[in-house]
Amino acid sequence: DTGVSQNPRHKITKRGQNVTFRCDPISEHNRLYWYRQTLGQGPEFLTYFQNEAQLEKSRLLSDRFSAERPKGSFSTLEIQRTEQGDSAMYLCASSSIDSGITDTQYFGPGTRLTVL
Amino acid sequence: AQKITQTQPGMFVQEKEAVTLDCTYDTSDPSYGLFWYKQPSSGEMIFLIYQGSYDQQNATEGRYSLNFQKARKSANLVISASQLGDSAMYFCAMRESRGSTLGRLYFGRGTQLTVWP
Repeated sequence: DTGVSQNPRHKITKRGQNVTFRCDPISEHNRLYWYRQTLGQGPEFLTYFQNEAQLEKSRLLSDRFSAERPKGSFSTLEIQRTEQGDSAMYLCASSSIDSGITDTQYFGPGTRLTVL
Repeated sequence: AQKITQTQPGMFVQEKEAVTLDCTYDTSDPSYGLFWYKQPSSGEMIFLIYQGSYDQQNATEGRYSLNFQKARKSANLVISASQLGDSAMYFCAMRESRGSTLGRLYFGRGTQLTVWP
């Protein structure tokens, strides 16, 4: 039973460039979440999928951010026209609807983005 | 208002001693879940323990226990017999069970625990 995986682990880009991150959830998990964590803070929710449907989006997710989960398996998070304020750790998590009320989210190792 | 408050930016404990990490929460939802995660310097968030709002007993997982005081809206993590490998950032989180925020976890700012020999 492999955990949540994220690629790449690190990304350095220049301001104005587009970047895309990938998340592969635990195989039987149908819920997938994206969070952003800046230095010295706890993770902040960005968006949430159940299967391929995007059910919730935070106001943090500006028009430059888009997330997809086309076949209900892996997900991608794209940031267009990156800004220095986008520098953060982007965390992906997954959970199973079958876990009932607990619905524990299991996290991947994260993608650390640095915008120069 | 903050959903999760962790008032201890840093805590120090000697190896083999017990330590309590504080967490208070704010919600009007009668049904909610409380979680603790550990984040080592590598960055991965590791799930430690869960407490449901309707659970009558405090949750325990090995050396971890959750001191749940519902009336005070506190969910403190107790680590017994600390080990050097427990040195990490610890986050308290909450998930509500209704409304438009159903899926998300709210996290506190974390407590940096350092275990010394």
